[in-house]
Amino acid sequence: GDSVTQMEGPVTLSEEAFLTINCTYTATGYPSLFWYVQYPGEGLQLLLKATKADDKGSNKGFEATYRKETTSFHLEKGSVQVSDSAVYFCALRINTGFQKLVFGTGTRLLVSP
Amino acid sequence: GAVVSQHPSRVICKSGTSVKIECRSLDFQATTMFWYRQFPKQSLMLMATSNEGSKATYEQGVEKDKFLINHASLTLSTLTVTSAHPEDSSFYICSARDDSNSPLHFGNGTRLTVT
Repeated sequence: GDSVTQMEGPVTLSEEAFLTINCTYTATGYPSLFWYVQYPGEGLQLLLKATKADDKGSNKGFEATYRKETTSFHLEKGSVQVSDSAVYFCALRINTGFQKLVFGTGTRLLVSP
Repeated sequence: GAVVSQHPSRVICKSGTSVKIECRSLDFQATTMFWYRQFPKQSLMLMATSNEGSKATYEQGVEKDKFLINHASLTLSTLTVTSAHPEDSSFYICSARDDSNSPLHFGNGTRLTVT
């Protein structure tokens, strides 16, 4: 079945460090790929997305490239801030039927000053 | 921007009682709503999909008689956990969208604890 695997956390970084959170997927068909972020006490928010192979999603300094050959959608940011501390979820959406989202387990990022 | 309000944020109930969780779209028509359940350190597991005015479609392994979903209007869906047991303790999250091309908006979740 369709699934998303992302690295376990927590990921602990110092401010201004480089961030990578790995995400790989298994899907039939051609999914759209997403990163969602959940700040403490809040709901999930869409961070970025890519709808086809080689697309790059970007937002707030975060980037992820849809790599069909490696079935990956790794999240990167060149210089993290304390305010980036949150839980990050990778997800895929099969673009048929109800177009349900399938989520990874989430990776907690902790950024210290 | 679009907001989905989920209530309550936390609820503690005794085993055997029922609990209702509400999910409201505040500034858009939620044609489709999704209900997720999240266990600690695990991903969000889709429980069911509901379209306004129709019966919910449950994922495999989810008991529809235990997790009653009602989507009677374009702005409100409810999830009722019937005869709750401690193993039902979890974090429940709703999400909603207008149409298939619209982004998905999430509620803040409900932490259910069954004692």
